[in-house]
Amino acid sequence: EAAVTQSPRNKVAVTGGKVTLSCNQTNNHNNMYWYRQDTGHGLRLIHYSYGAGSTEKGDIPDGYKASRPSQENFSLILELATPSQTSVYFCASGGTTGGTEVFFGKGTRLTVV
Amino acid sequence: LAKTTQPPSMEAYEGQEVNVSCSHTNIATSEYIYWYRQVPHQGPQFIIQGYKDYVVNEVASLFISADRKLSTLSLPWVSLRDAAVYYCIVTDIGNNAGAKLTFGGGTRLTVRP
Repeated sequence: EAAVTQSPRNKVAVTGGKVTLSCNQTNNHNNMYWYRQDTGHGLRLIHYSYGAGSTEKGDIPDGYKASRPSQENFSLILELATPSQTSVYFCASGGTTGGTEVFFGKGTRLTVV
Repeated sequence: LAKTTQPPSMEAYEGQEVNVSCSHTNIATSEYIYWYRQVPHQGPQFIIQGYKDYVVNEVASLFISADRKLSTLSLPWVSLRDAAVYYCIVTDIGNNAGAKLTFGGGTRLTVRP
């Protein structure tokens, strides 16, 4: 079964610190995505990637960087974490053909204090 | 990018059939329709996707109007486990680039015993 694994599942960070959220997929999908979800709202796209070495800005990229060193791994980096980045972050992977399903991880709850 | 309009909430009793509507009046010819659902503390889970007409799988069925401006997700015999937020998403696959899902507010389905 398709799998997207996120780590850590929970993280508390200090304001101004650097945070790295990791994502691994075993689906051999070209595309990977990072979303954030704030309480009571839908998911918003931060960054995505079409393959190893590529990163693209999503709808809310400010304050975030992304890294795709390999087909399987996609990281989200907060260089200077702020309390406004407290949220639940979801990673996802998907194929490139029309109508391909996108699979989501279980999420990482990040609290910036 | 087409936007979607869904009812914010619905209620049903166990065993009932539930139909969740979604309006996407500006859908482009290159866009597909996806339905996802999300239960608390989990990532969204794919339900069904379609381009036109009628699609059915083991979980749900999807009816798409002839002009593709309206779709209806049908869940037969709902149980308490079907209580979730249901998201209707339209997205442009775009030259085999894959789906970049944009989530709206979704429909919160409450199931009563």
